[in-house]
Amino acid sequence: QSALTQPPSASGSPGQSVTISCTGTRRDVGDYNFVSWYQQHPGNVPKLMIYEVSKRPSGVPDRFSGSKSGNTASLTVSGLQAEDEADYYCSSFSGSNNGEVFGTGTKVTVL
Amino acid sequence: EVQLLESGGGLVQPGGSLRLSCVASGFTFSNYAMTWVRQPPGKGLEWVSAIGGSGDNTYYADSVKGRFTISRDNSKNTLYLQMNSLRAEDTATYYCAKNQMDESPFYGMDVWGQGTTVTVSS
Repeated sequence: QSALTQPPSASGSPGQSVTISCTGTRRDVGDYNFVSWYQQHPGNVPKLMIYEVSKRPSGVPDRFSGSKSGNTASLTVSGLQAEDEADYYCSSFSGSNNGEVFGTGTKVTVL
Repeated sequence: EVQLLESGGGLVQPGGSLRLSCVASGFTFSNYAMTWVRQPPGKGLEWVSAIGGSGDNTYYADSVKGRFTISRDNSKNTLYLQMNSLRAEDTATYYCAKNQMDESPFYGMDVWGQGTTVTVSS
């Protein structure tokens, strides 16, 4: 049950786009569409941004979008805003142990 | 307002036990799967355990299997995590979270509590 792999950091200027990758295996990301993305500001609790690969909960801006190709899922934040600066975590169902696994986390910086 | 309130954290010696509780309000508790997620100080999120809305189906991370037990009392709107044989690496903030579906806990966690801190140290 190894953690999914995310880049430690990503950055972009206001108005630009940033894409975060989340790489797993065929036993998790590759075989299942149970990929979620969470945003966590320092000192705050995580917030669900994307579920089932590409679905947005109500209230989440459409600047946030999710996708998947093979064993890698991606979160794209378009039109970056200062408040998007946070840590982002992906998660996926894992068939290896019938549980869930989180990614290593990516710190997004708005330049 | 949908709310989750955890309690039961504290300082415990290695090998000791703790029971965490999470009281839910503002939604029909029995209609949703629930999950425990932990976060060691300064580190990332780790999925710990989940349970379906009826309580019949439970799921565990390999790191806690055989030591932790998840349960729920739908009559009390309360989720539990019994933690035995605690280790230093179990030190973390423990969050309970509401899932979006009734029995499957893999459709995303849309409501999170503020967390309770567990410290395992001698």
